[in-house]
Amino acid sequence: QKEVEQDPGPLSVPEGAIVSLNCTYSNSAFQYFMWYRQYSRKGPELLMYTYSSGNKEDGRFTAQVDKSSKYISLFIRDSQPSDSATYLCAMSARYAGGTSYGKLTFGQGTILTVHP
Amino acid sequence: DSGVTQTPKHLITATGQRVTLRCSPRSGDLSVYWYQQSLDQGLQFLIQYYNGEERAKGNILERFSAQQFPDLHSELNLSSLELGDSALYFCASSSSVLTDTQYFGPGTRLTVL
Repeated sequence: QKEVEQDPGPLSVPEGAIVSLNCTYSNSAFQYFMWYRQYSRKGPELLMYTYSSGNKEDGRFTAQVDKSSKYISLFIRDSQPSDSATYLCAMSARYAGGTSYGKLTFGQGTILTVHP
Repeated sequence: DSGVTQTPKHLITATGQRVTLRCSPRSGDLSVYWYQQSLDQGLQFLIQYYNGEERAKGNILERFSAQQFPDLHSELNLSSLELGDSALYFCASSSSVLTDTQYFGPGTRLTVL
């Protein structure tokens, strides 16, 4: 079983729709959660970073973390064709002293298409 | 543009050969990470260097090695290449070991024929 599971989709929605992307994880040590967006043949671009349970909002994007259920989500409101990309969740852990393990563990990525 | 640069963009080589991928981190970043992205395995962490020293290691093959130089740029060396090594190789950087936010470069696409 993979440490991070993400539905690969593909997901196709009309412009203006609300998109929900999800990941589950099994490793309780994960405390820091990120969402990256990757356009075709490009490097992943950091969208959201959060470390606590609850919601974090940034423009049209909302990241949600439920550590008790080991479940994270990314919501995209008023989706645009320019949002069409692969969305990757990523997670990390830290040592007791607060330094990062360094390694990010990624989900497989969800391919999203927003059509006009 | 993340500020992380990688060269070359594309590399085509034959099995058994050796190649070197180069990465320059964002200005001021001390940590460099290498990842491999393939269709079947997704993005996999290979290795991290911090200020010239190896700090963390993932599922990196013995045929692969990396180093970080005094000017903080990093190189990933892949030797005895196999068809299965064909993938996208990404470098990422972060400012310190106290952060988990990593900024990725544009990647190097390696094709082994």
